[in-house]
Amino acid sequence: NAGVTQTPKFQVLKTGQSMTLQCAQDMNHEYMSWYRQDPGMGLRLIHYSVGAGITDQGEVPNGYNVSRSTTEDFPLRLLSAAPSQTSVYFCASSYSPWGERSSYNSPLHFGNGTRLTVT
Amino acid sequence: DQQVKQNSPSLSVQEGRISILNCDYTNSMFDYFLWYKKYPAEGPTFLISISSIKDKNEDGRFTVFLNKSAKHLSLHIVPSQPGDSAVYFCAAANQAGTALIFGKGTTLSVSS
Repeated sequence: NAGVTQTPKFQVLKTGQSMTLQCAQDMNHEYMSWYRQDPGMGLRLIHYSVGAGITDQGEVPNGYNVSRSTTEDFPLRLLSAAPSQTSVYFCASSYSPWGERSSYNSPLHFGNGTRLTVT
Repeated sequence: DQQVKQNSPSLSVQEGRISILNCDYTNSMFDYFLWYKKYPAEGPTFLISISSIKDKNEDGRFTVFLNKSAKHLSLHIVPSQPGDSAVYFCAAANQAGTALIFGKGTTLSVSS
């Protein structure tokens, strides 16, 4: 089992360039999400998806787009990169969301991250 | 405003002693909490969780305590080992059940 796979591991972009961070999971998880980690800021949610065809915004969605055409894949698109988007990006998946709607609570499984630098 | 707070950025402990990492939350409707451990250049890995119907959950050397009235949880590691040196994140499922909200993390250093 590969778990959650993120590509690339490292990326350098110039301001204004666009790119897509790839994320794939092989655990048949319904829930997928993207976080960014910045020094002193912890992990902040960018976008999430509770199933194929369904996406929603998290805490810091501006400048990013997502789509979920399959259960396995959840790519994150940077439309026009800015230096403020320099960060480490983590994709994560879970069997289901949490709380009363869930049959049981399940942890998030994270990929190993993509380190993005925008110059 | 931060909904999940880890007020200690760092903690140093000697091998064999107890490590206690603390976490506070602001929303009394949160009902599921998790702890993650993160090593450099890796993604966070799940450690232990607790739901609000319990006040304690144990898994080997790791125990999480939940005090709902104080909106506080803590992670105890006994005995601490050098391999436990990592950043520890506390997280809570949001009220809608659609996202995990993370604290800023506490860096634990265990010296031998």
